[in-house]
Amino acid sequence: DTGVSQDPRHKITKRGQNVTFRCDPISEHNRLYWYRQTLGQGPEFLTYFQNEAQLEKSRLLSDRFSAERPKGSFSTLEIQRTEQGDSAMYLCASSSLGTSGGGDTQYFGPGTRLTVL
Amino acid sequence: QKEVEQDPGPLSVPEGAIVSLNCTYSNSAFQYFMWYRQYSRKGPELLMYTYSSGNKEDGRFTAQVDKSSKYISLFIRDSQPSDSATYLCAMRGYNNNDMRFGAGTRLTVKP
Repeated sequence: DTGVSQDPRHKITKRGQNVTFRCDPISEHNRLYWYRQTLGQGPEFLTYFQNEAQLEKSRLLSDRFSAERPKGSFSTLEIQRTEQGDSAMYLCASSSLGTSGGGDTQYFGPGTRLTVL
Repeated sequence: QKEVEQDPGPLSVPEGAIVSLNCTYSNSAFQYFMWYRQYSRKGPELLMYTYSSGNKEDGRFTAQVDKSSKYISLFIRDSQPSDSATYLCAMRGYNNNDMRFGAGTRLTVKP
């Protein structure tokens, strides 16, 4: 399978614990995105990497959230001191810059569903 | 007011019907318009991708963008039960990587 993969698919944790999610993008894609999706809503942008550089962060990304993409390959998203409001599906997407510039197509992984008790 | 508005439905149609899904938006900077399909507890799957105004057809799917009205549509012809899913519209600006999604419309196609 050459699509975007995410691990774990499900995570249940207690409030106050730290959690870390992993995303492996499509191998030739240099861009990687993290989104959060709550029930009945569309995905909301969290952050974006081009290669190993984190170029954009949403206001939604509080200081308890940190993302990394060492060596421009896989990425991790860590949430420290989880809160019940962090319960959501965390989606990763990847893309490569198109030859026309400005346009790229994002392909999503299956997501990690986080439940904070 | 949200930047992207999408009627959440639910929408239920008989097999073979033509389905029309729509989104409106307020940000005139949006240039790229996408439709994603999302099955329950899965990640979104890209269906259609268009740049600026116009129509694009791919099999049973047709995407329309009217930038003057800030209105986009997805039409599904000869709908099938396998089309039952949530359909998300998404859009972004030319040099903007912050893609904005609608809330999604839940579609059920009944055999």
